[in-house]
Amino acid sequence: GIQVEQSPPDLILQEGANSTLRCNFSDSVNNLQWFHQNPWGQLINLFYIPSGTKQNGRLSATTVATERYSLLYISSSQTTDSGVYFCAVRAKAAGNKLTFGGGTRVLVKP
Amino acid sequence: DAGITQSPRYKITETGRQVTLMCHQTWSHSYMFWYRQDLGHGLRLIYYSAAADITDKGEVPDGYVVSRSKTENFPLTLESATRSQTSVYFCASRREGALWAGELFFGEGSRLTVL
Repeated sequence: GIQVEQSPPDLILQEGANSTLRCNFSDSVNNLQWFHQNPWGQLINLFYIPSGTKQNGRLSATTVATERYSLLYISSSQTTDSGVYFCAVRAKAAGNKLTFGGGTRVLVKP
Repeated sequence: DAGITQSPRYKITETGRQVTLMCHQTWSHSYMFWYRQDLGHGLRLIYYSAAADITDKGEVPDGYVVSRSKTENFPLTLESATRSQTSVYFCASRREGALWAGELFFGEGSRLTVL
């Protein structure tokens, strides 16, 4: 099946810093989403981005489907950005299965 | 707009007991899913449903039963709970349509402990 790798696995930021999270996948996809799992365990949709670039406030994401990667940018990080960021993809040949990456654990220090 | 809700949010039970986790969505999404999240394994698909009365197995279906008599509800039943089923369970539904096909939305999760 499709492999999804996220990097880095852990990230410690000072409040106000910028960062880039990466998601690499091993096959063609027709769906890619970024989620934020907050410290309370909730999975929050950030972006639905099978291709192209989107922005939402301090967050933006870019997916280059032909090169099989996606990037999530966090600018001017805040303590509320702490948590785990997951990339999830649905391979074109995988039917209904959404495959999650291992996540990037982010800690933003005040 | 309530979205997708799960109940109970927290449950403690004993080995061998039957437990049902409820999931309800207000969007009329056709597809619904159950995942479990465990340290070291990430999120794994248990079962999914394409529509009322249509269900199919995911990666880890053993020990679980699902039903879907109505579009908005997708209960997950552990017929005889085991300690290995201690986990956080997430229900999800998927939006369809030309622009948004495939976007998944998760409920808040149900934390189950089997003693």
